[in-house]
Amino acid sequence: QVQLQESGPGLVKPSQTLSLTCTVSAGSISSGSYYWSWIRQPAGKGLEWIGRVYTSGSTNYNPSLKSRVTLSVDTSKNQFSLKLRSVAAADTAVYYCARGVHHGDYANYFDYWGQGTLVTVSS
Amino acid sequence: DVQMTQSPSSLSASVGDRVTITCRASQTTSTFLNWYQQKPGKAPKLLIYAVSTLQSGVPSRFSGSGSGTDFTLTISSLQPEDFATYYCQQSYSTLYTFGQGTKLEIK
Repeated sequence: QVQLQESGPGLVKPSQTLSLTCTVSAGSISSGSYYWSWIRQPAGKGLEWIGRVYTSGSTNYNPSLKSRVTLSVDTSKNQFSLKLRSVAAADTAVYYCARGVHHGDYANYFDYWGQGTLVTVSS
Repeated sequence: DVQMTQSPSSLSASVGDRVTITCRASQTTSTFLNWYQQKPGKAPKLLIYAVSTLQSGVPSRFSGSGSGTDFTLTISSLQPEDFATYYCQQSYSTLYTFGQGTKLEIK
């Protein structure tokens, strides 16, 4: 079955750029009616959707983060990536990558998730 | 934004109990309402999509219902492995949003 794995630095300094990559295995990132998302969760808190990218390169972002976020996809490597600029302590969270599914015209959900990676913003 | 509000925020129950968690949206989400289960230190797991469709491999004791802005997740007979945090999520609006979570604890 499909597996997703996040990778990237676990510690980022304030004002710098957080960069994470999600590698998709046991399935092509380009197949099916899928999109690829990032979701984050501060310790002890709820889930916040960051954005999504299609293999066409089309993106949608959470307006609260839009000015700082870029999502991209590399189909040759079966990977998609997150860049979050000008980070602050409030960006400290577990970051998950997930596969989104458009199921007909009545459903849209995240069916596969990575295990999550903790990113701490601190000097 | 479509705000998602779950109730209760926490719940204590015993093995074998029937449990219901409610999720209310600030505007209609049509059929675009999903439920996830999250255990400590783990990624969320999809339980139900499109209000009431059980994801493959999810036990039949889980069920979902509702329409418009009001939805429920029901666990018919709690099992030890069901103690976790549950989140609803809307995907009707492109700004996907989650409820704040309901923590289900052992009484």
